Amino acid sequence: QKEVEQNSGPLSVPEGAIASLNCTYSDRGSQSFFWYRQYSGKSPELIMFIYSNGDKEDGRFTAQLNKASQYVSLLIRDSQPSDSATYLCAVKEDNFNKFYFGSGTKLNVKP
Amino acid sequence: KAGVTQTPRYLIKTRGQQVTLSCSPISGHRSVSWYQQTPGQGLQFLFEYFSETQRNKGNFPGRFSGRQFSNSRSEMNVSTLELGDSALYLCASSLSPTPGSGETQYFGPGTRLLVL
Repeated sequence: QKEVEQNSGPLSVPEGAIASLNCTYSDRGSQSFFWYRQYSGKSPELIMFIYSNGDKEDGRFTAQLNKASQYVSLLIRDSQPSDSATYLCAVKEDNFNKFYFGSGTKLNVKP
Repeated sequence: KAGVTQTPRYLIKTRGQQVTLSCSPISGHRSVSWYQQTPGQGLQFLFEYFSETQRNKGNFPGRFSGRQFSNSRSEMNVSTLELGDSALYLCASSLSPTPGSGETQYFGPGTRLLVL
């Protein structure tokens, strides 16, 4: 069973700050990593995905992947109260369309 | 393009009954996956269907089953419902022409099932 670990939080940051969300995974061979955002009572929505070591930026969001250390992180710059949600890290199993999700980190952005 | 749709959105059943949930994927998407989400266990993979065939399966008992039709719509069935089956059931679709392709999944709004 592949493990995906996240700190459940809540992580509280003031408006305008950088929020840093972390995720570790157990399968060293994993190649594809995804971040989803889930508002309370809603379904997960894709924020971004990353396949290669290093950083990938999309607007205020930056995903960072370090395969040697088996962690992936998500940075949210200029955090807004509307970013308050649970952030789910997901790892896709190689050669299968099967995703393993972490339990999610709850982010609170305080005005 | 319309997103993933799921019906019904809410359902109340009693123990021992069975339930069928429906999912229509994004147009052109041929892979449909089902997940169970509970506060205690998080998002857990149930199974994936592609071209009417179950391609992947999670660690759930045989009471949980599914199928996919030729138009890629999928149904999930849970028989002999237990209290612990109360959860949000999410369907996700992707293009996924071949296993291992980089395509990601897009989730539907979910069906919230309450078992009394």
